Amino acid sequence: EIVMTQSPATLSVSPGERATLSCRASQSVSSNLAWYQQKPGQAPRLLIYGASTRATGIPARFSGSGSGTEFTLTISSLQSEDFAVYYCQQYNNWPTFGGGTKVEIK
Amino acid sequence: QLQLQESGPGLVKPSETLSLTCTVSGGSISSSSYYWGWIRQPPGKGLEWIGSIYYSGSTYYNPSLKSRVTISVDTSKNQFSLKLSSVTAADTAVYYCARAIMIVEPLFDYWGQGTLVTVSS
Repeated sequence: EIVMTQSPATLSVSPGERATLSCRASQSVSSNLAWYQQKPGQAPRLLIYGASTRATGIPARFSGSGSGTEFTLTISSLQSEDFAVYYCQQYNNWPTFGGGTKVEIK
Repeated sequence: QLQLQESGPGLVKPSETLSLTCTVSGGSISSSSYYWGWIRQPPGKGLEWIGSIYYSGSTYYNPSLKSRVTISVDTSKNQFSLKLSSVTAADTAVYYCARAIMIVEPLFDYWGQGTLVTVSS
């Protein structure tokens, strides 16, 4: 099993500021890494796949980077609708998810 | 617009079998481009992939759940289903069905709204 570790668990950010979320894999997953956003009471929404490709309809303020074992999701200027929990998922082996990072209003 | 909708009992007794169905609308479950999957999320916790199925019936499962999981597909009804046997309180979760893009392994681009299943006597 590939273990995905996300940090920090909680990130407090003011609207308009930049948020940087990290995801680490216990072994290389190449670029087979996706990011999801989940709001309370809702299903996750695919944001990024292939470590850096935005899914259809995802705003350009969301960007992903990294390969191998270290990945980053950056939200360049946080909007009110971006406060949520973010999960990474590797699909280089049977799928596993990180524990999530909650982005909250500072 | 593709939509997925989970259905099934919201309460299951310990040791019994959890059964859920996902109905797909706005697209064909028989598309050769996609797999279909189940993911669950215990209350207040993270996501866990349960398993995936292709329209042909090919399946593969999370190794930690494999002995208890069966996923099947009914292309005539545009549905796929999950059965999880011998449930315990640890199986209490919101269960999501989703469309899976298979690259090396699946990632999930469309999700149902989820259904809470509670295991309790």
